[in-house]
Amino acid sequence: QVQLQQWGAGLLKPSETLSLTCAVYGGSFSASYWSWIRQPPGKGLEWIGEITHSGITNYNPSLKSRVTMSVDTSKNQFSLRLSSVTAADTAVYYCARGSSSLSLWGQGTLVTVSS
Amino acid sequence: EIVLTQSPGTLSLSPGERATLSCRASQTVSSSFLAWYQQRPGQAPRLLIYGASSRATGVPDRFSGSGSGTDFTLTISRLEPEDFAVYYCQQSGISPRTFGQGTKVEIK
Repeated sequence: QVQLQQWGAGLLKPSETLSLTCAVYGGSFSASYWSWIRQPPGKGLEWIGEITHSGITNYNPSLKSRVTMSVDTSKNQFSLRLSSVTAADTAVYYCARGSSSLSLWGQGTLVTVSS
Repeated sequence: EIVLTQSPGTLSLSPGERATLSCRASQTVSSSFLAWYQQRPGQAPRLLIYGASSRATGVPDRFSGSGSGTDFTLTISRLEPEDFAVYYCQQSGISPRTFGQGTKVEIK
């Protein structure tokens, strides 16, 4: 059974860089797109972007200037970096499998940006 | 960017009742790229429907999706206690992928 396990720093100061990693267990890493989505507290879902196993990316234009996604195929992991964070980036960040539909989600990581 | 508008914002129903949730797109979405998700409090979203009408693995058949073009519907035929949650539609036909703002189905 495929599982996604994510981790990363949960508390950041303004201007720092958010860094999260998601590991894929029990399934084929090369057969899927891998996505990041976030959800501010009490609000809806926002798509951040997606990456293929070969490193081809597609970012939300609203975040594109600050987002970098990468893959490590040797470890079946993919990562998200978001630079110059502000309080508006406070959210639960999810990794997920898929592109046209997100069939499997990580457990979520609450990232709080506060001075 | 395609804007998805879900209605109603909140649906108050009793267990056993039928729920009808709407998702309207600001421009045409290919049915192949319309999905529905369920999110219970404190949990990650869960895929219910993909391709507008196909149930994801393990999803009970009381959940059904329909629609085309700009109007899509998620129907829950008979609400079970575990169905009271927030539901989101998502389009992935045009980048950026976008979600609706969600419909909360609450116990009346």
